[in-house]
Amino acid sequence: ETGVTQTPRHLVMGMTNKKSLKCEQHLGHNAMYWYKQSAKKPLELMFVYSLEERVENNSVPSRFSPECPNSSHLFLHLHTLQPEDSALYLCASSQEGSSYNEQFFGPGTRLTVL
Amino acid sequence: DQQVKQNSPSLSVQEGRISILNCDYTNSMFDYFLWYKKYPAEGPTFLISISSIKDKNEDGRFTVFLNKSAKHLSLHIVPSQPGDSAVYFCAASVTIRAGSYQLTFGKGTKLSVIP
Repeated sequence: ETGVTQTPRHLVMGMTNKKSLKCEQHLGHNAMYWYKQSAKKPLELMFVYSLEERVENNSVPSRFSPECPNSSHLFLHLHTLQPEDSALYLCASSQEGSSYNEQFFGPGTRLTVL
Repeated sequence: DQQVKQNSPSLSVQEGRISILNCDYTNSMFDYFLWYKKYPAEGPTFLISISSIKDKNEDGRFTVFLNKSAKHLSLHIVPSQPGDSAVYFCAASVTIRAGSYQLTFGKGTKLSVIP
C-alpha cells in the first residue's frame, strides 16, 4: 500500500448504528486530519492530530469521535448520526515542521445515513 | 463566511486552449496557497503551490499567479488536455504554530476539456 488509504470506501448506516471509518498513511507523516465534504460546500476540517495528539477540533458534534492510536492510523467513530451527516469523509496526512504545507489525501469514504 | 472563494462552479475549454481557474480570498493572514485536483471517486491530489512572497510559480503546463493586493490567485493550464477534466480546489494556508499549518478550501471548479 502507498499513500493514504481509507476503509470502507462506501458506508450506509442507520441513525442508531455505530460504525468506524479507518485511515492509514504510509508516508511517514506526523500529522493526520479528518475532513468532511458535503455537496456544493468546501472541504470542512473536522479534526487535526499532530504527533498523535488532537490539536484542533472545529466544534464538531460529539456524535463524531476521532481516535489516533499511532502516527500511521486514524479512526473516526460514528454513533447516532443524522441524515445531514451524509457526506464524503476524507482523511489527509502531512509532515509538520517541513517547509511545505501540502496535505496528502485518501480516496474518502462516502457515507450515507438513512 | 467563506474565506476562500471560487466563484465559477464550472468551466468548459476546448482541447489545446488555455484554462484559467480563479480564486479569491479574504484573510490576509494566509501565507501559502495550493491547488488540488480531484477526479471522481478519488481524493484530492496536490497540483501546484505558491508562497505569498512570490507572484508566479510554474510547473510544466501549470502556472499559478498570485496578486496579493487584490487577494486573488489563478491557475493557468496550457495547453489544456482532456485528462485535465476534474474538479480543481483552491486552498489557502495559515500558520497555526511553527511548522504547523491549517488549510482552508474553496468549493471547487469543475473543469471540462472538450476534445
